Amino acid sequence: GDSVTQMEGPVTLSEEAFLTINCTYTATGYPSLFWYVQYPGEGLQLLLKATKADDKGSNKGFEATYRKETTSFHLEKGSVQVSDSAVYFCALSERDNYGQNFVFGPGTRLSVLP
Amino acid sequence: NAGVTQTPKFRVLKTGQSMTLLCAQDMNHEYMYWYRQDPGMGLRLIHYSVGEGTTAKGEVPDGYNVSRLKKQNFLLGLESAAPSQTSVYFCASSYRPGTGIDTQYFGPGTRLTVL
Repeated sequence: GDSVTQMEGPVTLSEEAFLTINCTYTATGYPSLFWYVQYPGEGLQLLLKATKADDKGSNKGFEATYRKETTSFHLEKGSVQVSDSAVYFCALSERDNYGQNFVFGPGTRLSVLP
Repeated sequence: NAGVTQTPKFRVLKTGQSMTLLCAQDMNHEYMYWYRQDPGMGLRLIHYSVGEGTTAKGEVPDGYNVSRLKKQNFLLGLESAAPSQTSVYFCASSYRPGTGIDTQYFGPGTRLTVL
């Protein structure tokens, strides 16, 4: 079945550092790929998405490029802020026999120190 | 638009008690989902619904039941709560596949503790 693998956390960075959170996936077809963010005490919010190979999703300074050849969707930000401290989930969505299948990675906790 | 709302936000139950979690969405979404989130395990799908009057099992359905009597509401029931059901429960909704819009929208969560 489909699956999503993320780098283990927690990740601790200083403010203005460069961020990369790795995400790889396995899927039978051509899924859409997502990054969701969860701030403390809140639900998940869509951060960015990409629906086909070589698409780049971007939002709030975060970027991720859909790499079909390496089945990856790594999240990057050039200069993190304390307010970026949260848990980040990589996810995919694909049609299957039952409708729409959403699969989430385990999440990566990011802590940004001032 | 309120988006996806969940009630209650917090609940403490004793083993064997029953309760119902309510999820409501005002975006006219066809699909609705219930997940549980446990430390180090990410999100696991409990049940989902592809439309009013239909439900299906997800990855971890045992001990839970659901109903979708109205398109905007999706109820999650625990008939006899167990400590293993202590978790944070998230509801989500999305448009029907084929519309080209496949993003899930999440509620704020319900934190349930079973003693």
